[in-house]
Amino acid sequence: EVQLVESGGGLVQPGGSLRLSCAASGFTFRSYDLHWVRQAPGKGLEWVSHSSATGSTVHYAESVKGRFTVSRDNAKNSVYLQMNSLRVEDTAVYFCARTPGTGYYPQNFQHWGQGTLVTVS
Amino acid sequence: DIQMTQSPSSLSASVGDTVTITCRASQGISNSLAWFQQKPGKAPKPLIYAASTLESGVSPNFSGSGSVTDFTLTISSLQPEDFATYYCQQYNSYPLTFGGGTKVEIK
Repeated sequence: EVQLVESGGGLVQPGGSLRLSCAASGFTFRSYDLHWVRQAPGKGLEWVSHSSATGSTVHYAESVKGRFTVSRDNAKNSVYLQMNSLRVEDTAVYFCARTPGTGYYPQNFQHWGQGTLVTVS
Repeated sequence: DIQMTQSPSSLSASVGDTVTITCRASQGISNSLAWFQQKPGKAPKPLIYAASTLESGVSPNFSGSGSVTDFTLTISSLQPEDFATYYCQQYNSYPLTFGGGTKVEIK
């Protein structure tokens, strides 16, 4: 069974940093692209970042570019989101999501974790 | 960036009804469109990808159609467990973008 478990959320002051982790199991981690998606309280979904299967290709939403960095450790079956210079508007539940595979073009999200809450206040 | 416009933002319906949610892309996205269902406090659940392909295990009461810029999610014979918020998402190009959501409530 595919499992994605996020951790690392918490309360942080504006300007602070936080590192989120997404631990994966139940599949061959190195063969899949992964994404981060967030949802502010009471709001809709916002895509945040993408990492290719090898980690060599990444993408970011404009709202986090230059402040957030996505990385992965395929030996540890984990993807990370390093969040620096946090703002109040970064407050959200952060989900990681897995695609059906890997490739040059973006793919749909096939599996989601349960999310971890980040509060910037 | 590709803007995704969902309508309506909310609707009220009764068990057994058929409901339709529309999603319009600001530019052509071929069939790179997914639909998700989300209940309060839970992660989004994938329903449909490639505009019309049902995810494994999803009720056949859900169906998707459309291509290029105009897409539709139809829920036939609405069940109590279908009351939730629904989102469309384009994955044609980065940045990936979601529609604003449609909340389906019980009438």
